[in-house]
Amino acid sequence: DVKVTQSSRYLVKRTGEKVFLECVQDMDHENMFWYRQDPGLGLRLIYFSYDVKMKEKGDIPEGYSVSREKKERFSLILESASTNQTSMYLCAGASGGRGDTQYFGPGTRLTVL
Amino acid sequence: LAKTTQPISMDSYEGQEVNITCSHNNIATNDYITWYQQFPSQGPRFIIQGYKTKVTNEVASLFIPADRKSSTLSLPRVSLSDTAVYYCLVASGYNTDKLIFGTGTRLQVFP
Repeated sequence: DVKVTQSSRYLVKRTGEKVFLECVQDMDHENMFWYRQDPGLGLRLIYFSYDVKMKEKGDIPEGYSVSREKKERFSLILESASTNQTSMYLCAGASGGRGDTQYFGPGTRLTVL
Repeated sequence: LAKTTQPISMDSYEGQEVNITCSHNNIATNDYITWYQQFPSQGPRFIIQGYKTKVTNEVASLFIPADRKSSTLSLPRVSLSDTAVYYCLVASGYNTDKLIFGTGTRLQVFP
């Protein structure tokens, strides 16, 4: 059974803190994605990675960066957290391109105070 | 970019068939249509995917007309456990494309 895990289910940080959200997949998938989900806005793509050390901006990359040093791990970094980054963050993996089935993690609900 | 539009919400009763339509007028030749289901406090889960005509699996059917500008997810005989948010995604296999998820349709099934 495929599995995507995220380091925390709930996280509370203060404005200005550096925040790391970790995602690990055990499916040997090339592609990994970070989304944020907000009420009324659905899922919005922040960044995706199609190979180790390769990344591409999604629709809303401002205020975020990513790191993919190993195939199974994809990290989302908030360099200086702000209150408008309070959201649900979802990680996903997929074997092929965007049209392929994505397998999502359970999500991290981040609150920035 | 293929922007998708779905109804915000739908209500149904147990045992009924539910059809949720997604509009994607700017769908590209290489785009596939995928539907996901999401329960509260969980990540979305794959339901079904198609390119054209009709696709059926053990949980749903997907109808795509010839012009591919819309698609309809059909859930036969829904139960209370089908209460969830359903997302339509239009995307292709090329890395340079962007992923466009719809805002989702909240389906409420009543007993």
